[in-house]
Amino acid sequence: AQSVTQPDIHITVSEGASLELRCNYSYGATPYLFWYVQSPGQGLQLLLKYFSGDTLVQGIKGFEAEFKRSQSSFNLRKPSVHWSDAAEYFCAVGKIKAAGNKLTFGGGTRVLVKP
Amino acid sequence: GAVVSQHPSWVICKSGTSVKIECRSLDFQATTMFWYRQFPKQSLMLMATSNEGSKATYEQGVEKDKFLINHASLTLSTLTVTSAHPEDSSFYICSAGVGNTGELFFGEGSRLTVL
Repeated sequence: AQSVTQPDIHITVSEGASLELRCNYSYGATPYLFWYVQSPGQGLQLLLKYFSGDTLVQGIKGFEAEFKRSQSSFNLRKPSVHWSDAAEYFCAVGKIKAAGNKLTFGGGTRVLVKP
Repeated sequence: GAVVSQHPSWVICKSGTSVKIECRSLDFQATTMFWYRQFPKQSLMLMATSNEGSKATYEQGVEKDKFLINHASLTLSTLTVTSAHPEDSSFYICSAGVGNTGELFFGEGSRLTVL
């Protein structure tokens, strides 16, 4: 069975500083990896995804993530955070590249941004 | 991107009553939708896979008689919490996939409070 671990429950970062959120997955085959962001009381918005090809993927809002198969990781980064980046971030893994893709989510990382 | 909408956004009900939550794909057809449950400050737990025109597939530990799912059309899935109890209070989120991208689009979520 697939699983996702986000080791950091909370991260506090100063506005303008860089941010890196860790994600480790466990899945025997080729994973389809996603990062979603959730603002309080809201649904999830897709930041970026990885299916194949270039292991460094660019997403919305200035985020990027790097897939490292050898480390089973898919860490999310942003060079300079804005106060509006304060939110909950979820890493997820799916099995198939189709509409019926059942995702497994990590526990989430809450990001707090200090002024 | 594709839009998924949930209604209501929040609902308060008395213990013992039933509550229906709707999930609509506004600009695409969804043969498969997913229902998740999210407790405060926790991750999303998949409850069931909703299949258009057939029975839903429930995850282990989810009571299918308590959480009734109906996917009567390609744009609408409903989750009915029957005989609700305070422990059913939670944030319920639906999602749907488009085409062969493997990407899921999420609704805004519905917060249920059972008194």
